[in-house]
Amino acid sequence: SYELTQPPSVSVSPGQTASVTCSGDKLGDRYASWYQQKAGQSPVLVIYQDSKRPSGIPERFSGSNSGNTATLTISETQAMDEADYYCQAWDSSVHYVFGPGTKVTVL
Amino acid sequence: QARLVQSGSELKKPGASVKVSCKASGYPFTEFALNWVRQAPGQGLQWMGWINTNTETPTYAQGFTGRFVFSLDTSVNTAYLQISSLKTEDTAIYYCAREIPAATPMGNWFDPWGQGTLVTVSS
Repeated sequence: SYELTQPPSVSVSPGQTASVTCSGDKLGDRYASWYQQKAGQSPVLVIYQDSKRPSGIPERFSGSNSGNTATLTISETQAMDEADYYCQAWDSSVHYVFGPGTKVTVL
Repeated sequence: QARLVQSGSELKKPGASVKVSCKASGYPFTEFALNWVRQAPGQGLQWMGWINTNTETPTYAQGFTGRFVFSLDTSVNTAYLQISSLKTEDTAIYYCAREIPAATPMGNWFDPWGQGTLVTVSS
């Protein structure tokens, strides 16, 4: 089976940059998507195909993927960005897999 | 724009069954696969499987075979998740999500998601 790992939590000060990593075997050879889930809400797509941003998602959200690690970067982090972030990838054995999630706290 | 609206919360006793609906609007229903995702209390997202809305063929992830059934009613653009012989560990929020296809499945993504349906199993 294919597994993704994420740090449980990331803390960031308002206006600073937050980086959330997602690791998996040769993850860079497949695409990663990222979803934001605020408390009590359903997940929202923020990045797809490693680095593409859906319409309506602020430019401060960006993504990259290389080697074994995909990274979601939130620049000039705002209080409204406080949420759980999940990475997702596709694998032929398990189809879709999500990372365990990272709680981003804006201090 | 595309939207998925799910049915309301359910409270069931162990051994009972539940059927969750997911009504799509704003896009051609049979052109996009529908996925189901479970989120247990305080836990992360777990992919349950998907249904091909064109052929109505379901695919279940490991751990979601037997008691879980995906179905469709294309006449009303609605997908269903039925869970039988409910157990307390089935207590969770269940989400449906539309799958956007890319050139290969590796590039697919989920957007939008339904608002979620809380299923509580308790005696």
